[in-house]
Order: sequence, then C-alpha cells, then structure tokens
Amino acid sequence: KQEVTQIPAALSVPEGENLVLNCSFTDSAIYNLQWFRQDPGKGLTSLLLIQSSQREQTSGRLNASLDKSSGRSTLYIAASQPGDSATYLCAVPYSSASKIIFGSGTRLSIRP
Amino acid sequence: GAGVSQTPSNKVTEKGKYVELRCDPISGHTALYWYRQSLGQGPEFLIYFQGTGAADDSGLPNDRFFAVRPEGSVSTLKIQRTERGDSAVYLCASSLEGPALSPLHFGNGTRLTVT
Repeated sequence: KQEVTQIPAALSVPEGENLVLNCSFTDSAIYNLQWFRQDPGKGLTSLLLIQSSQREQTSGRLNASLDKSSGRSTLYIAASQPGDSATYLCAVPYSSASKIIFGSGTRLSIRP
Repeated sequence: GAGVSQTPSNKVTEKGKYVELRCDPISGHTALYWYRQSLGQGPEFLIYFQGTGAADDSGLPNDRFFAVRPEGSVSTLKIQRTERGDSAVYLCASSLEGPALSPLHFGNGTRLTVT
C-alpha cells in the first residue's frame, strides 16, 4: 500500500529565506510525483510534475527533486515571499496509475 | 471556461437527504477524478473516470456514493441518505490523459455540510 508523508506539517519562516519541503513515499514503483499548492478555501494548483525517469524539475523560484530509490522528493523554494504562504502537497499515482495518493501537506507561512 | 468548474460551491443539507455535486472538466480532458478533503488533510481518492467509464471506483466509501460521466465530459457525484460524516470539501480534477502522463487540474470544490 502506498503511503505519502510530508514533514513538517507546518513551517513559518521570515521573508527572503530559502526553504525545503519534504515528501516521502513507501512504494518506489511510481509513475511520477506532483507538487501542488492550495490556498485557503481553494482547490489545488499544480506546481511541478516530475516523471519517474527525471531527477528534478524547475519553475521560477521552485525546484523539485526526486529520488525514487530512497522514496523521497523535496520542493525547494528560493527567496521566499509572503505570497508563497499556502499549503503545499505532494502526490503520486499508485495501483496501475489510476489512483493518486496525496500527502497531508505542509502549511507554509512566510512572515514579512 | 478555462478551468475545472464545480457547482454548487456550497451545499447544506439535512441528514438523510440526497445530493448531487457537478463537475465540468477542462474541455478535451479525458480523465476525471473525484476527491474528498477534510480539514487539515490531503485529498482522499474517490473515483477515476477515463472517458465515460469508471476506471477505478475503489475509493468510494460505500454504496451510498455513486458517480457518472455519461458523455465523457460533465460528471455528477451522487450521495444518497447523507450522513454527518459525509461533510467535507468534494474536489474534482481533470487531466488531458491518465495520471501517469499529465498534471491534474483541480476545481475549487464543493463544500458539503450535512446537518
């Protein structure tokens, strides 16, 4: 059974800091891994999708890495801004890729 | 519209009533998913459609829950004899192809409250 864990559950840092969010999964036979952002009362917005054959993906100040063998992914946010405050979730397809399993998310707060 | 649309945005119903939640996916997206999210938790998988057929409905909690997508676009999630434990945000997502290939695009969800 695939389990996805995100630690820490919450994180508060001052503006301008670089930070790393962690995601771990128990079954390394994944097709891809996707990072999402969720603002309060809203749906999820896709940030980055890393295919299983890739090691990292970059979009602007965001960089996501994937290490299948250790069952880990990290989301690196450079030069954090108050507008980055949100919950960040990772997700992996499981069971013949039809079911996507989500972690519980990391609630990020950037202090001005 | 450009994104996934879900209606209604909020639904309050009494215990025991029947509800329908609607999802309009992005035009051309063949894959459609329903998730349920409780406060402080990640989305919980309910059902996945590829075209008109339910490719995986293993996440539906019991036979009170049912979903359809008759023409391969709009989908309706139906809940019979609602219970207070059904209260949650119900999220719909679509993708161009299956989950192994394409990113998911989510709607803003329907907040269901069962009193």
